[in-house]
Amino acid sequence: QKEVEQDPGPLSVPEGAIVSLNCTYSNSAFQYFMWYRQYSRKGPELLMYTYSSGNKEDGRFTAQVDKSSKYISLFIRDSQPSDSATYLCATLKAAGNKLTFGGGTRVLVKP
Amino acid sequence: DGGITQSPKYLFRKEGQNVTLSCEQNLNHDAMYWYRQDPGQGLRLIYYSQIVNDFQKGDIAEGYSVSREKKESFPLTVTSAQKNPTAFYLCASNQGKAEAFFGQGTRLTVV
Repeated sequence: QKEVEQDPGPLSVPEGAIVSLNCTYSNSAFQYFMWYRQYSRKGPELLMYTYSSGNKEDGRFTAQVDKSSKYISLFIRDSQPSDSATYLCATLKAAGNKLTFGGGTRVLVKP
Repeated sequence: DGGITQSPKYLFRKEGQNVTLSCEQNLNHDAMYWYRQDPGQGLRLIYYSQIVNDFQKGDIAEGYSVSREKKESFPLTVTSAQKNPTAFYLCASNQGKAEAFFGQGTRLTVV
C-alpha cells in the first residue's frame, strides 16, 4: 500500500464549479502537507503548504488538513479552464526532509 | 534568479547506452531529489540526497545511479540496465521543512 493515496481522475467539471481534491495518508509521522499544480510537460509548482489541522485559504484555493482522519483536501472555487492541470499532494515527516507524493489527480475544467 | 535548472530538455538514448541528466540548483538547498513521471502517472522517487556525498535509493532506483559531489549538483545517470527509460524526469530540491522547488524536467526517449 502506498503511503499517500490520491484518486488519479480525470475529474471533469464545468467552468465556475468547485473542484474538490483529496489525499489520504497512512503514516501519522507525516506532519507537513503541500499541494502542487503541474501543467502538462512542466515541473510542478507549489500551491499551498500547511502544517496543522484546519483550513488555509489563498485566493480561490483552500487547503484542509484533518490529521485525526489522515485526510487532506484542496478546494478550488470558481474554477477556470486555466485550472486544468494535474494536482499532486505531498507530505513531509517531522523527522527528516524526504518528500512523499501522491500519484496526482488530473483535473479538466470545461468552458 | 534562484532556481533549479535541468538539462537537456529533450534527450534521446539508443538501446544499451548510458545517459546523464543534469540538475543544478542555486538555492543553497541541502536536499535534492530525482523523480520519474510516466504519461498520466504521478511522481515516483528514484534517488534522493539529504546532504553532499550522501544519497539514498528511492522506490525505483534499479537501473539508475547518482552522485552528489557538490551541494548544487545532483546528476542522474540512466544506465543500460534500465529497461524502460522513456519517461519525464524531474529534479527537485528543498531545505528542512520548506517546500520543494522543481526544475522544468527532461524528457528522455529511447530510439
